[in-house]
Amino acid sequence: DGGITQSPKYLFRKEGQNVTLSCEQNLNHDAMYWYRQDPGQGLRLIYYSQIVNDFQKGDIAEGYSVSREKKESFPLTVTSAQKNPTAFYLCASRNRQGLAEKNIQYFGAGTRLSVL
Amino acid sequence: DAKTTQPPSMDCAEGRAANLPCNHSTISGNEYVYWYRQIHSQGPQYIIHGLKNNETNEMASLIITEDRKSSTLILPHATLRDTAVYYCIVSGKAAGNKLTFGGGTRVLVKP
Repeated sequence: DGGITQSPKYLFRKEGQNVTLSCEQNLNHDAMYWYRQDPGQGLRLIYYSQIVNDFQKGDIAEGYSVSREKKESFPLTVTSAQKNPTAFYLCASRNRQGLAEKNIQYFGAGTRLSVL
Repeated sequence: DAKTTQPPSMDCAEGRAANLPCNHSTISGNEYVYWYRQIHSQGPQYIIHGLKNNETNEMASLIITEDRKSSTLILPHATLRDTAVYYCIVSGKAAGNKLTFGGGTRVLVKP
């Protein structure tokens, strides 16, 4: 069953703690993305990666870090520097092969992060 | 990226067609129009995309005006499961194929 798996579904962070959100895909997609969504708002891009061992900052990268050591995995770490981390985090992937206009991103079910 | 403007909300009767408008007056020649929807507390789902021709798939139809400054997503027979936030996005290669999600249109399908 192909798709994108995000874990955990719910996560709680204590003050000063770093937490890591997992995103795994078995779609053989090259590009992967992390978004943040606040209540009643649209998605905002945190980081993205077009290929393994390479990634770029999105619009709101401060307080976050990522790695892309494997094609299928793109974990996001919410560091203690992120002062307002409570949000819904969504991971997506895209197939960069084939027709350029197929900018179709497939999303996971999300992780809801709250601060204790 | 070109910006899009959508109405914040709209209601639709179950079984009727839902027509969702989107303005993108600053769209450039090589940018596509994409539609996604997000059902409450889930990840967004791709619906359809187009460049300048009208498009249809099993989920919806996309009508793009000749000047490409606006488009309409049509859900032909809305069901209660179509209740969601619908996002109209303009994107192209120049922007690194990034998707910029605005506020979207909150569609409520009523029985």
